[in-house]
Amino acid sequence: AQSVSQHNHHVILSEAASLELGCNYSYGGTVNLFWYVQYPGQHLQLLLKYFSGDPLVKGIKGFEAEFIKSKFSFNLRKPSVQWSDTAEYFCAVTRNTGGFKTIFGAGTRLFVKA
Amino acid sequence: DAGVIQSPRHEVTEMGQEVTLRCKPISGHDYLFWYRQTMMRGLELLIYFNNNVPIDDSGMPEDRFSAKMPNASFSTLKIQPSEPRDSAVYFCASSTGTPEGQPQHFGDGTRLSIL
Repeated sequence: AQSVSQHNHHVILSEAASLELGCNYSYGGTVNLFWYVQYPGQHLQLLLKYFSGDPLVKGIKGFEAEFIKSKFSFNLRKPSVQWSDTAEYFCAVTRNTGGFKTIFGAGTRLFVKA
Repeated sequence: DAGVIQSPRHEVTEMGQEVTLRCKPISGHDYLFWYRQTMMRGLELLIYFNNNVPIDDSGMPEDRFSAKMPNASFSTLKIQPSEPRDSAVYFCASSTGTPEGQPQHFGDGTRLSIL
């Protein structure tokens, strides 16, 4: 079955620590990739997206993600987290052939200690 | 620009009652999605529409759930009869439908509690 896997359900970091959240998908063919963030009590917001071109994508708030096609991965990174990054992060994949359906991963809850 | 607007923000009702959730997508967006979010199951796509037509409703849990989109600016998700296990946050999202697949814009959600 086609799926999106986020390896860590919960991550706890101290401020200034580096962050990497894993995301793997199981679709073949062309895909579009997204990371969304959901701050406590709020709706999902787009962090960054990859459609084509440079596989290293930079998003808002210092986040970046790297698309590695051979590994079917799209990991999210940030060199130095802040307390305000405490949120839940969702990886999402949209198939680019026929149809239009986005599948979300289960999410990773990040807690940053001040 | 106004974002995706959902109403109500919160609803608490007794099991067996009919629940209607409402969504107004961003003007010009031709895709509309309904999601359910729970601690146990995460974010689940229930149904999505393109140009007011339901395209994929395979995520709708059972016949008690129904969704309509009578026009480009309004959609409803109805649960009848409601059950306690339907308690969740329901999100509506919209997007434009370019071939590349644009990101979705989410509403603030409706927090539904069925007693």
